Amino acid sequence: QQKVQQSPESLTVSEGAMASLNCTFSDGTSDNFRWYRQHSGKGLEVLVSIFSDGEKEEGRFTAHLNRASLHVSLHIREPQPSDSAVYLCAMSIDQGGSAKLIFGEGTKLTVSS
Amino acid sequence: GPKVLQIPSHQIIDMGQMVTLNCDPVSNHLYFYWYKQILGQQMEFLVNFYNGKVMEKSKLFKDQFSVERPDGSYFTLKIQPTALEDSAVYFCASSLPDGYEQYFGPGTRLTVL
Repeated sequence: QQKVQQSPESLTVSEGAMASLNCTFSDGTSDNFRWYRQHSGKGLEVLVSIFSDGEKEEGRFTAHLNRASLHVSLHIREPQPSDSAVYLCAMSIDQGGSAKLIFGEGTKLTVSS
Repeated sequence: GPKVLQIPSHQIIDMGQMVTLNCDPVSNHLYFYWYKQILGQQMEFLVNFYNGKVMEKSKLFKDQFSVERPDGSYFTLKIQPTALEDSAVYFCASSLPDGYEQYFGPGTRLTVL
């Protein structure tokens, strides 16, 4: 069964300091990976989608994918208190054009001012 | 970005009753999804739907669950009858035909008493 594990469970950083979140997936069958953000009581906001090894940047958010080590990370540059949320990593399993997302348990990020 | 709407935002019902959760997907999207998130736990895939048919469902999609999208109206998740363990936040998502990016609604919080 495909699984996604995230670390750390929670993270507190000071405003302006880099925040780094990690995600490990169970196997190499996925085509692509996403990072989402979920503010308390809200829906999911997609931050970065990454399809190939290497780096992808979307504003202050940068994802790094290494398929060989089954690892994808998210780095948040100059985090603000408004970035405090739960960050979810997901891998997409595509079957005949219809995909399902397998999510990790999330990392709760707190950015202190 | 594209908006997915969900109605209602909260629903409280007695165990055994029927409930219908409604999703208004992005207008030109053709693939639709439901995910379930029990409080404090990870988000899990329930079902995806295309061209009037269920493409894939998980073991969480019990026989009491059904989905439909009659004539391009709301994409609905019906639970009949409900059970206590159905209490969760249900998220709807939709995507273009290539299944690339899923856009999520804000969720419906279902409480079964």
